Amino acid sequence: EVQLVESGGGLVQPGGSLRLSCAASGFTFSTYWMSWVRQAPGKGLEWVANINQDGSEKYYMDSVKGRFTISRDNAKNSLYLQMDSLRAEDTAVYYCTRVTPYGSSLFDYWGQGTLAPVSS
Amino acid sequence: AIRMTQSPSSFSASTGDRVTITCRASQGINTNLAWYQQKPGKAPKLLIYAASTLPSGVPSRFSGSGSGTDFTLTISCLQSEDFATYYCQQYYSYPPTFGGGTKVEI
Repeated sequence: EVQLVESGGGLVQPGGSLRLSCAASGFTFSTYWMSWVRQAPGKGLEWVANINQDGSEKYYMDSVKGRFTISRDNAKNSLYLQMDSLRAEDTAVYYCTRVTPYGSSLFDYWGQGTLAPVSS
Repeated sequence: AIRMTQSPSSFSASTGDRVTITCRASQGINTNLAWYQQKPGKAPKLLIYAASTLPSGVPSRFSGSGSGTDFTLTISCLQSEDFATYYCQQYYSYPPTFGGGTKVEI
């Protein structure tokens, strides 16, 4: 059974940093693109970043470029999102997602999400 | 970025109803269109991909159609567990973008 379990969320002040983690199991992690998608409270879904199988390709939404870094450790079956210079508008539930082989940004499995409120 | 527009944003329905949700892309995306279902407090679930393909385990009362810029999600006979918010998403080009969501309420 595919499982994605996020952790690392929590209240952070504007300008602060947070590192989210995602532990993957039930599939061969190293053979899949992975992604982070977020959802602000009461709002819709917003793609944040993608990373390819070996970490050599990364893509980001414009508003997080230069502030967020996606990475992975295939030996640990883990995905990460380092979030720096956080802003109030980054407040969201962050979902770790697996990308299907059928499309470069088609998400077939989602974690339960971790909430990252940014507030003073 | 490709803009995805869903309509309606919400509506009320009853069990047994046939419901249709539409999604329009601001430019052609072939059939690179997915639908997700999200229940309150839960993660989204992939419902349809390639505009009309159901992943294993998704009930056949769900169907999708369309190509280019106009797409529809149809639930042929609404069940109680189908009351949720539905999102369309294009994966034709970066950045992948979602529609604003359609909430199906009782």
